[in-house]
Order: sequence, then structure tokens, then C-alpha cells
Amino acid sequence: QAQLVQSGAEVKKPGASVKVSCKASGYIFSNYYIHWVRQAPGQGLEWMGIINPSGVNTIYAQKFQGRITMTWDTSTSAVYMELTSLRSEDTALYYCARALAYNWFDSWGQGTLVTVSS
Amino acid sequence: EIVMTQSPATLSVSPGERVTLSCRASQSVSSNLAWYQQKPGQAPRLLIYGASTRATGIPARFSGSGSGTEFTLTISSLQSEDFAVYYCQQYNNWSPMYTFGQGTKLEIK
Repeated sequence: QAQLVQSGAEVKKPGASVKVSCKASGYIFSNYYIHWVRQAPGQGLEWMGIINPSGVNTIYAQKFQGRITMTWDTSTSAVYMELTSLRSEDTALYYCARALAYNWFDSWGQGTLVTVSS
Repeated sequence: EIVMTQSPATLSVSPGERVTLSCRASQSVSSNLAWYQQKPGQAPRLLIYGASTRATGIPARFSGSGSGTEFTLTISSLQSEDFAVYYCQQYNNWSPMYTFGQGTKLEIK
């Protein structure tokens, strides 16, 4: 069955960058798009962006444009999300999720906690 | 941006009860609406897509309905494992900007 396994928790200082990985298994990696969604402590879900198979196309939520980069590594069946210029408000659980094209998210990673603190 | 509004924010119910959660879109999303369940410490889980189609392995007590701007998720007889937060989400092909509702928390009365 499909599985998305994310990298471990990170602690960063304000102004730093973080790169989170999402490794896929159990399905044909190139058949699905990958989304990133974050959840601040005690808050709801916030969509960040999408990357298509092979990584040729990315679409980012306006809120994150200029600070976010998603990349695709076919050789390792992994997707990466890098967020720069971190601030305390970026403290959140970051999830990757897969979707068939621009559809619903049918499988999620376990989440990666990113803490931004001086 | 399409805004999704869920109501109520919190619902106190007893096991065995029937419950209906609401989700409203600020403009029509056709049937491009999904529901997710999230339990504490877990990632969200897909329940419903296409407004009314249950995802694989989802019990029949969960049902979704609606189209356009008004949607509902109904749980016919609440089980103890159903107490969680439920999110609706719109998706579409012509403008892949996804938005979630703020969530409805089901708690035990």
C-alpha cells in the first residue's frame, strides 16, 4: 500500500531555512502529484503548494511564494520542501500528501514538526 | 481564493447519535469537495471525495452530500473512534489552489 515517510523533527532559528523530505513507497511514484500542507499548533490545515511528477511544474500558495521551493527526485522516490526566512509563525507540523493530478489527497505522510525559536 | 466555512466549530454528541456537519464554499466548487478526519497526533485521513464517494475502507456510516456551495457530512451512528476533527477541502482542475475549512471538532457529550 502507498506510504509516505517524512524526515524527522527540526529546530531552527529565525531567518534560517528548513528542508523536509517525503519518501514514497508502495505505488508508482510518477503517477501522483505531491502536496504540502501545514498545521500550526492547535490550528487547522493550510495548503502550501503542489509539485507534479518529475517536478517540472510547481504551484505555490501566494502566502509562501518567494520563500518555498519544492523539488522532485525520481532516483530516490522523494520530494523535498524547502522553506526559507523562517519566523516563529512557521512553527508547525508539515505534511506531504499525494493526489492523482489536481484531486483529493488519498495518502498522507506522518508529519514533520518544524520549530522556529531563538 | 475560495473560502470554506464549516459549522459548527464544536459539536458535543453522544455515542450512537446521528450527526451532520456542514461546509459552505464562497463560490461553487461543483462536486470537488473532500472530507478528512483527523485524530490527535495523527495525520488527516481521507473519508469522502467527489462530495459523496467514500474512500477505500471507510465505513458505510459515513456519508457525504451536496454540490455547488453547500455540503454535509453525516455520521449515522457515532462510534467512540469517530470523535475527532473533521475538515472539508475544495479542489479543482482549473485553478489548483486548495483550501480547507477551519474544522469541526466532535467531542463526547
